[in-house]
Amino acid sequence: QKEVEQDPGPLSVPEGAIVSLNCTYSNSAFQYFMWYRQYSRKGPELLMYTYSSGNKEDGRFTAQVDKSSKYISLFIRDSQPSDSATYLCAMSYPGGSYIPTFGRGTSLIVHP
Amino acid sequence: GAVVSQHPSWVICKSGTSVKIECRSLDFQATTMFWYRQFPKQSLMLMATSNEGSKATYEQGVEKDKFLINHASLTLSTLTVTSAHPEDSSFYICSARGGVGRGTEAFFGQGTRLTVV
Repeated sequence: QKEVEQDPGPLSVPEGAIVSLNCTYSNSAFQYFMWYRQYSRKGPELLMYTYSSGNKEDGRFTAQVDKSSKYISLFIRDSQPSDSATYLCAMSYPGGSYIPTFGRGTSLIVHP
Repeated sequence: GAVVSQHPSWVICKSGTSVKIECRSLDFQATTMFWYRQFPKQSLMLMATSNEGSKATYEQGVEKDKFLINHASLTLSTLTVTSAHPEDSSFYICSARGGVGRGTEAFFGQGTRLTVV
């Protein structure tokens, strides 16, 4: 079992839909949780960064962390074709020198 | 977010030559830099972690003598692919993280697409 599991997709949705992207993990030591967006042939861009459990909202994006279930989510409201990209979750903890462990990424396609 | 600049964005080189990739943190001091390799439709594969002024820590299976990493300053790390071969062709991405007060999140460069012919 990998430390971080993420469905690679692709996930195809119509423009305007609410998108839900998820990751599960096995290491209960993880404390810091990140979501990155990666366009083709580009480096990942940090979208959301959260510490411990709870919700965090930034514009159309909401990140949720449920440490009891070892489950994190990224919601995208009013999705746009420009949101089409690969979304990678990542997580880290102090004992691991804060080195992020990545999921394999979910490919999202938002069609007009 | 913080800005990390990676150069070049793409490079083609002949087999047997060496290629140097630079990674700079433009608006913060990066105490730690990471180097990744990414294959098409795959996630990031961590190659090595480097702390400023220290030798890089390589992940298992990554050849130290082939992938030379230097992190001589708080804003610059370099990856040199020595005696490159076609199987080294890949997308290489650096990531930088600041120290105390900067948080633990890491910011990525734009990536370098290396093609060895």
